[in-house]
Amino acid sequence: GAVVSQHPSRVICKSGTSVKIECRSLDFQATTMFWYRQFPKQSLMLMATSNEGSKATYEQGVEKDKFLINHASLTLSTLTVTSAHPEDSSFYICSARSGGNTGELFFGEGSRLTVL
Amino acid sequence: DAKTTQPPSMDCAEGRAANLPCNHSTISGNEYVYWYRQIHSQGPQYIIHGLKNNETNEMASLIITEDRKSSTLILPHATLRDTAVYYCIVRGFYNQGGKLIFGQGTELSVKP
Repeated sequence: GAVVSQHPSRVICKSGTSVKIECRSLDFQATTMFWYRQFPKQSLMLMATSNEGSKATYEQGVEKDKFLINHASLTLSTLTVTSAHPEDSSFYICSARSGGNTGELFFGEGSRLTVL
Repeated sequence: DAKTTQPPSMDCAEGRAANLPCNHSTISGNEYVYWYRQIHSQGPQYIIHGLKNNETNEMASLIITEDRKSSTLILPHATLRDTAVYYCIVRGFYNQGGKLIFGQGTELSVKP
């Protein structure tokens, strides 16, 4: 099946620094990618939809200046957590869709961010 | 997209069938039922999806009622590695860019 890879899988950073997480579709082109956040013992919460070549669409309540999303190519989307704080510590998961609106969604392995 | 309701947790004995129910009473005609699972600290894994007919693949079977208001995911011979949170999601392809909205899911514990 299609593979979506995230990097890094784990990152620890100091409060106030910025962290970039990469999401790559390895064997297909993805015009649309989705970013989720998951806190312990909770479900996945959709943060934003990343569209290749255009601005991301953020879900209500998600700060677009805090969580910068760039989808510069058909195989790569990045999420940058700017000026990270301990409350940003979470499991971040990306998903990429192969094909158009009817394409299947494949998920990355997730990236665990810990902000000290 | 239609909302789904799942029991928060279930237990199943190893080797037995695990039957996970899902209610989606407000599903509309063009919405599919999807099942994903998430093993601890991993990304979700696609299991199966269907519109109105029953579906089977190498992982599971999906039984959708005739009125489409509920469905059951069946893992025919559960193993310890099937312990995970299972999410039932109703998705309309042409709504909201095809994104998946996750509910709380069912935490399945397979016990020896």
